[in-house]
Amino acid sequence: GESVGLHLPTLSVQEGDNSIINCAYSNSASDYFIWYKQESGKGPQFIIDIRSNMDKRQGQRVTVLLNKTVKHLSLQIAATQPGDSAVYFCAEDHGGSYIPTFGRGTSLIVHP
Amino acid sequence: GAGVSQSPSNKVTEKGKDVELRCDPISGHTALYWYRQSLGQGLEFLIYFQGNSAPDKSGLPSDRFSAERTGGSVSTLTIQRTQQEDSAVYLCASSRTGGNYGYTFGSGTRLTVV
Repeated sequence: GESVGLHLPTLSVQEGDNSIINCAYSNSASDYFIWYKQESGKGPQFIIDIRSNMDKRQGQRVTVLLNKTVKHLSLQIAATQPGDSAVYFCAEDHGGSYIPTFGRGTSLIVHP
Repeated sequence: GAGVSQSPSNKVTEKGKDVELRCDPISGHTALYWYRQSLGQGLEFLIYFQGNSAPDKSGLPSDRFSAERTGGSVSTLTIQRTQQEDSAVYLCASSRTGGNYGYTFGSGTRLTVV
């Protein structure tokens, strides 16, 4: 999950396992949430989004869960592959601001 | 274009020099954002353009930083009198309307101030 430490939180998994990346957000007014994947040397790539009127949304091999009560967001990746190795960021969009705020990211390392 | 294009991809400059970074957003996207990403850090918001409205400059770290967007399309981020702490990856993103429709990022410009 997110951390205020100097180093990115890291999640190491074996190929084929399911991965869960967590994110806590702070603004109860946030109504739109996005997960991004960033590979080394590249810009962030959109994975999946969810609006605050939902608590779960599924994509291809990915599921985002939103718990507004505790202001928590998670990204689940099924059958993780080496190509999933990257830094994953959650972003929240405050209602009406249209300026997404990003967390520090979690580094996912997938071992073959 | 098909994606957000940024140039140059890498820029090395001497301390004190001015630099200009360019962003070409997706055609038709009215919202454009600049973010800065330092090594191992998250994305720091710099500035937001939406259509013809006055930009939101609340994230610019100092008056050495400025940005403009000509004709509602291409944007240029200018850093004057660069300092070593300006070294980072500068990312541009665009969005269809600026209202919760996802943001497409470019690959960024890696700026190194020596």
